Amino acid sequence: NAGVTQTPKFRVLKTGQSMTLLCAQDMNHEYMYWYRQDPGMGLRLIHYSVGEGTTAKGEVPDGYNVSRLKKQNFLLGLESAAPSQTSVYFCASSFIGANSPLHFGNGTRLTVT
Amino acid sequence: GESVGLHLPTLSVQEGDNSIINCAYSNSASDYFIWYKQESGKGPQFIIDIRSNMDKRQGQRVTVLLNKTVKHLSLQIAATQPGDSAVYFCAENMNTGNQFYFGTGTSLTVIP
Repeated sequence: NAGVTQTPKFRVLKTGQSMTLLCAQDMNHEYMYWYRQDPGMGLRLIHYSVGEGTTAKGEVPDGYNVSRLKKQNFLLGLESAAPSQTSVYFCASSFIGANSPLHFGNGTRLTVT
Repeated sequence: GESVGLHLPTLSVQEGDNSIINCAYSNSASDYFIWYKQESGKGPQFIIDIRSNMDKRQGQRVTVLLNKTVKHLSLQIAATQPGDSAVYFCAENMNTGNQFYFGTGTSLTVIP
């Protein structure tokens, strides 16, 4: 049981390049989330999904897109990377409904130069 | 103490002592709270949770206290060990799509 798996673990991009971060969970969770973590700012929600085929914006969605084509996968895309997107990105998943704890992956460290 | 907004950045304790990490939350409508532990290079790890109909919950060496009157949450770690050194986050559930808002974290250092 791997839980939440994120790939890649590290990535360096040049400004303007694009990339996709992949998140996979094997816990049959309905909900999935993408957060970014910056020093002194805690975790901020980018986008989330309450089920296959559905996505919604979180607190800081600009510059990112997401897709949830399969229940177990949640993809985060950066179409044109900017230095302000240098961060550590965490994917999480949870069971359906309120009051379900989030289970996190180990993160992707992205640097945009 | 830490808040979903403000934070106490660091806390140092001697091994074997008890640790208390505090968190002030802002939304009186929040009804579910979680403490997470994050070690360097890893994702946040669930420690303990509490619902708003409770004021105390105990786990193994950890206790969470909830004071809804003053919107305050605390995590107590008994007999702190070097392996407890990490950043601790509180999170409140806004009950919208199971979204959580996280505090900025408190870094706990255990001195052997």
